[in-house]
Parts: sequence; structure tokens; C-alpha cells
Amino acid sequence: QKEVEQDPGPLSVPEGAIVSLNCTYSNSAFQYFMWYRQYSRKGPELLMYTYSSGNKEDGRFTAQVDKSSKYISLFIRDSQPSDSATYLCAPVSNYGGSQGNLIFGKGTKLSVKP
Amino acid sequence: DAGVIQSPRHEVTEMGQEVTLRCKPISGHNSLFWYRQTMMRGLELLIYFNNNVPIDDSGMPEDRFSAKMPNASFSTLKIQPSEPRDSAVYFCASSFAAGQPQHFGDGTRLSIL
Repeated sequence: QKEVEQDPGPLSVPEGAIVSLNCTYSNSAFQYFMWYRQYSRKGPELLMYTYSSGNKEDGRFTAQVDKSSKYISLFIRDSQPSDSATYLCAPVSNYGGSQGNLIFGKGTKLSVKP
Repeated sequence: DAGVIQSPRHEVTEMGQEVTLRCKPISGHNSLFWYRQTMMRGLELLIYFNNNVPIDDSGMPEDRFSAKMPNASFSTLKIQPSEPRDSAVYFCASSFAAGQPQHFGDGTRLSIL
């Protein structure tokens, strides 16, 4: 089983829709989680950073962590065409020589249609 | 403040040639990471440095790959000799410390013919 799994999509939604992006992980010891957004031909940029279970909200974005299910979600309200990008989840490793490293999922490609 | 700067943005070269990718991290960041991104494998960590010292190079695919960080403001990733399967986008990222959010450059798109 891969450490971090995401549905690659593509996910296509109309403008204004609520988007749900999901990620599962296998290591129950992960405690910190990040979401990155990557536009075409650009580097990933940090979107959200959460420490623990529960919700964290930032504008139209909400990150949700359910450690009991090892499930991470990112919700986008009132989606805009400018949200069209690939979204990568990244738990922070906390073991061995890779402690502190990000373990990236392959990302979900989102397209928001005007 | 300038972000992570990578050069070149694009590189096309023939198989067997030496390729050198360059990275300038954000000033004050103590950790530097090199990643490779492909459609098949996603974003893979190749190597990371902490305070200019290589900490984990287990992601470096083989001896043809090497990375250096001679000072806090500069790092290189070298491939010698290059092969077509090395074609990918290579990203450099830096962070204040391991485990902290990483800031990425815009990558080097490498094509080996």
C-alpha cells in the first residue's frame, strides 16, 4: 500500500460548486498535514497546514483531518476558474532518516468551468 | 522577498551529456530539498540538506546523480551521464527547518534526447 493516495481525477465542476478533494494515508503516526496547489508549469505552493484532527478554515478553503480513518480532505467553497490546478496532499514524515520530510500524494487535477 | 530561484527553466540535451541544475533557496532557510516530478511517479524526494549538509540521499536514483550545497545560498544537482529516462521536471524547495512548510521554485524542465 502506498503511503499517500489520491484520486488523480480529473475532477471537473461548474463555477460556484463546492469541491471536495480527498487523500488517504497509511502511517497512523503522521501528525502534521499540508495541502499544496500546483498550477500548470509552476512549482507547488502551500495552501493549508494542519497540526491535528478536526477542521481548519482559511477563506474559501477548509482542511479536514480524520486520524481515526487516516483520511484528509480539502473543501473549496464557491469554486472559481482560478482554482483550476492540481492539489497535492502531503503528510509530514516523523520517522527515521526522513523525519520532517513531506510525503506527497500524486495529486488530484481540478478543473472549474466558467 | 524573492522565492526559490532555479535555473535553467528548460534544458534539452542529448543522452550522455552532463546536466547541472541550480538552485538558490530563500534567504534564512536552513533546509533545502531536491525533487523530481513525473506523471508516472509524482513528486519524489531525491535528497535534502540541513545547514548545507546532506541528510538523506536515499531518493537519488543512482550514482549518475550527485548534489552539492557549497554554501547556504546555492545548491546544484548534477546528472552525469544523462539518460532519456531522466527526463522530468526537477524542483528545488527550501524551508526554515525540516518539518516546516516548504517553498518551491518553478522547476527545471529537463528533456534528454
